[in-house]
Amino acid sequence: AQSVAQPEDQVNVAEGNPLTVKCTYSVSGNPYLFWYVQYPNRGLQFLLKYITGDNLVKGSYGFEAEFNKSQTSFHLKKPSALVSDSALYFCAVREGNTDKLIFGTGTRLQVFP
Amino acid sequence: GAGVSQSPSNKVTEKGKDVELRCDPISGHTALYWYRQRLGQGLEFLIYFQGNSAPDKSGLPSDRFSAERTGESVSTLTIQRTQQEDSAVYLCASSLGGTETDTQYFGPGTRLTVL
Repeated sequence: AQSVAQPEDQVNVAEGNPLTVKCTYSVSGNPYLFWYVQYPNRGLQFLLKYITGDNLVKGSYGFEAEFNKSQTSFHLKKPSALVSDSALYFCAVREGNTDKLIFGTGTRLQVFP
Repeated sequence: GAGVSQSPSNKVTEKGKDVELRCDPISGHTALYWYRQRLGQGLEFLIYFQGNSAPDKSGLPSDRFSAERTGESVSTLTIQRTQQEDSAVYLCASSLGGTETDTQYFGPGTRLTVL
């Protein structure tokens, strides 16, 4: 069965510093991986996805994620954090031939000025 | 173009009452999904529509939950005889097709509170 783990409930980082939000996954087939961000009282916004090809995926708002097959990870990164990046981040995986996304429990990112 | 819209944005109801939640997907999107997000938790899949058909209802938590989609557009999620544990944010998403590589775009959600 597919699953996603986000091992950190919260990540704190100072503005201007690089940030990483971790995600690991478990699937039996090819993984299709997604990152979403949720701001307070709003729905999820799509950031980026990995389907195939380059392991480094670039997305919205300067975010990127690196797919690592051997470590079954898909960590979200940004070279320089902004206070406005503070939000709840969800990693999700969809296995081939399935019809639903499986979400992690979310990581709250807090960027301090 | 307009994104996914949901109504109402907030719904407060009494235990035992029925509620209907509405989702308007992005125009032209054939796939539509319902998820539930309980406080402090991730998203829980409820049901998936491809066109007007629901090939996967596996996530519906009980027979009090049902959903339909008409005209390959609007979808309604109905919860009968609501219970306090039904309190959550109900999120709808749509995608262009139903393949595993398609991006799902989410609406703002309906916050349901059952008193």
